[in-house]
Amino acid sequence: GAGVSQSPSNKVTEKGKDVELRCDPISGHTALYWYRQSLGQGLEFLIYFQGNSAPDKSGLPSDRFSAERTGGSVSTLTIQRTQQEDSAVYLCASSLSGRRETQYFGPGTRLLVL
Amino acid sequence: GENVEQHPSTLSVQEGDSAVIKCTYSDSASNYFPWYKQELGKRPQLIIDIRSNVGEKKDQRIAVTLNKTAKHFSLHITETQPEDSAVYFCAASDELTGGGNKLTFGTGTQLKVEL
Repeated sequence: GAGVSQSPSNKVTEKGKDVELRCDPISGHTALYWYRQSLGQGLEFLIYFQGNSAPDKSGLPSDRFSAERTGGSVSTLTIQRTQQEDSAVYLCASSLSGRRETQYFGPGTRLLVL
Repeated sequence: GENVEQHPSTLSVQEGDSAVIKCTYSDSASNYFPWYKQELGKRPQLIIDIRSNVGEKKDQRIAVTLNKTAKHFSLHITETQPEDSAVYFCAASDELTGGGNKLTFGTGTQLKVEL
């Protein structure tokens, strides 16, 4: 079946602009995660959604970052007033449920803030 | 919170040799330890994982060992092949408490298998 998909694959924006990144999880997966991968670094947890529960936002680096998940499926990560330090690859992952399940990653969105 | 350290950052081996990558973690509550392989420009893919109720797990040429007392775990690749060249990430999480399975990742090891 189809894996996790993300769009756009690449995004170049100017400092101060807002951007929206989209994630389509694997069908039937109730858990969805966003991670950020900066150049030469590991993946950094941002936010987690599980079903209809309140999201775990503990990894969001500032209030410029927000995410929502509509209808328990597609998720959008929004970064307001982008800064150059926001430049990174943003990866989405989904799993069948929130516990004891493998996380499958999407291809990522490469964001460059000029 | 959890902190995962990974060594070495780069590793070069000859084809057919073994490769070992080591990680340490700080949170004794962590009980799930996956390893991901990321080829250049591609998404991370799970290659093996281990839970804290076992000390070792093997899948063909890949094995992972876990020492809960010392809070470290290692990835072992035997008979390395050029297609093993990639960045490998270790991660840790506490998947039984709280909500979800948010992973804390190491900073990655660039493995290069030379002919």
